[in-house]
Amino acid sequence: DQQVKQNSPSLSVQEGRISILNCDYTNSMFDYFLWYKKYPAEGPTFLISISSIKDKNEDGRFTVFLNKSAKHLSLHIVPSQPGDSAVYFCAAKRQGAQKLVFGQGTRLTINP
Amino acid sequence: DVKVTQSSRYLVKRTGEKVFLECVQDMDHENMFWYRQDPGLGLRLIYFSYDVKMKEKGDIPEGYSVSREKKERFSLILESASTNQTSMYLCASSLKVPYEQYFGPGTRLTVT
Repeated sequence: DQQVKQNSPSLSVQEGRISILNCDYTNSMFDYFLWYKKYPAEGPTFLISISSIKDKNEDGRFTVFLNKSAKHLSLHIVPSQPGDSAVYFCAAKRQGAQKLVFGQGTRLTINP
Repeated sequence: DVKVTQSSRYLVKRTGEKVFLECVQDMDHENMFWYRQDPGLGLRLIYFSYDVKMKEKGDIPEGYSVSREKKERFSLILESASTNQTSMYLCASSLKVPYEQYFGPGTRLTVT
């Protein structure tokens, strides 16, 4: 039962353009969402998060949008840079819980 | 900066061996987690601990056990390693609030 889904295994974007990574969830009890970035042979690093009481959170080139009615989350990276090439995981936390549920990941490749 | 370290980056073990994976964090975090990462499956939670000597099963605990005798250290034990436990193992830690988890570099375990 995959409660957090990233339906695109991979995404290729030209340097300087916008990268949009998508994530869908099924559990309406999720109240906090996070994005992580993972380079090969390294652990994931936290990127940005959003509480369910908000619909947008911005940090530099990264913006996360939350559409609760659609149970959809997206990460926008503008402008995309070669160093953004990595696997991106979205994650969600259920109300009252401490653990996270992760999606399958999307491999982003930024082409020069 | 939070630092999470894992005892080995690469490990090769034989079927039936008992395997210990160690994780240490230096930021006095209450929560610690063990995940495995497999292609197309994302990060799946094996076990987590929210306090010393406390543990809870994650989504895939079968074949694994854990130990948390000290706050900074969380061990994952494979009682009798099997080939289907070949994977990347990731340890993480977090405070109770906020919920961001900080990951170690991972241990690539191969069971032959």
